[in-house]
Amino acid sequence: AQSVTQLGSHVSVSEGALVLLRCNYSSSVPPYLFWYVQYPNQGLQLLLKYTTGATLVKGINGFEAEFKKSETSFHLTKPSAHMSDAAEYFCAVSEGYTGNQFYFGTGTSLTVIP
Amino acid sequence: NAGVTQTPKFQVLKTGQSMTLQCAQDMNHEYMSWYRQDPGMGLRLIHYSVGAGITDQGEVPNGYNVSRSTTEDFPLRLLSAAPSQTSVYFCASKSSTDTQYFGPGTRLTVL
Repeated sequence: AQSVTQLGSHVSVSEGALVLLRCNYSSSVPPYLFWYVQYPNQGLQLLLKYTTGATLVKGINGFEAEFKKSETSFHLTKPSAHMSDAAEYFCAVSEGYTGNQFYFGTGTSLTVIP
Repeated sequence: NAGVTQTPKFQVLKTGQSMTLQCAQDMNHEYMSWYRQDPGMGLRLIHYSVGAGITDQGEVPNGYNVSRSTTEDFPLRLLSAAPSQTSVYFCASKSSTDTQYFGPGTRLTVL
């Protein structure tokens, strides 16, 4: 079975500071990993995904994440936070190309302080 | 493309009432799913479908029914609404490249 743990339900950073949102997963098969962002009263939008290949993946809005198999982690980073980054972020895992179900973490709410 | 659409956006029900949440996608995706989102619990899978005529249960299926008569539509039925079903419901469809596309959500309140 798959599961996702997001450390820190609330993260606050100053504008211009590094954003680091943590995600650890468990999976019995090679995982596909995703980060989604949710702005207030909206649906989820894909930020980036890892399926195969390069372990450092770049997404929209300057975000990137690195798949570290040895640490079972897929942390999301952005070098410099912007006010518009304030949102809820969800990490998700699926069972690779053999699976259809997605498993989501409980989310991390990011606050950007001016 | 309209992507994934959901109706209604808001709904208030009384305990025991039934209703159907509508979901449609125009991307010809085979896989569709329903999630509920509750504070502090992330998204939990209710039901999913891998193609027309095929559905299966997710993590929290009790109290919900689904059917998939066409590739485009995947309605979610609440048979007898309960206050515990107060939530935000998201429909999603998945492309062949494994990216899930989400609808805008339906905010349901059961009194």
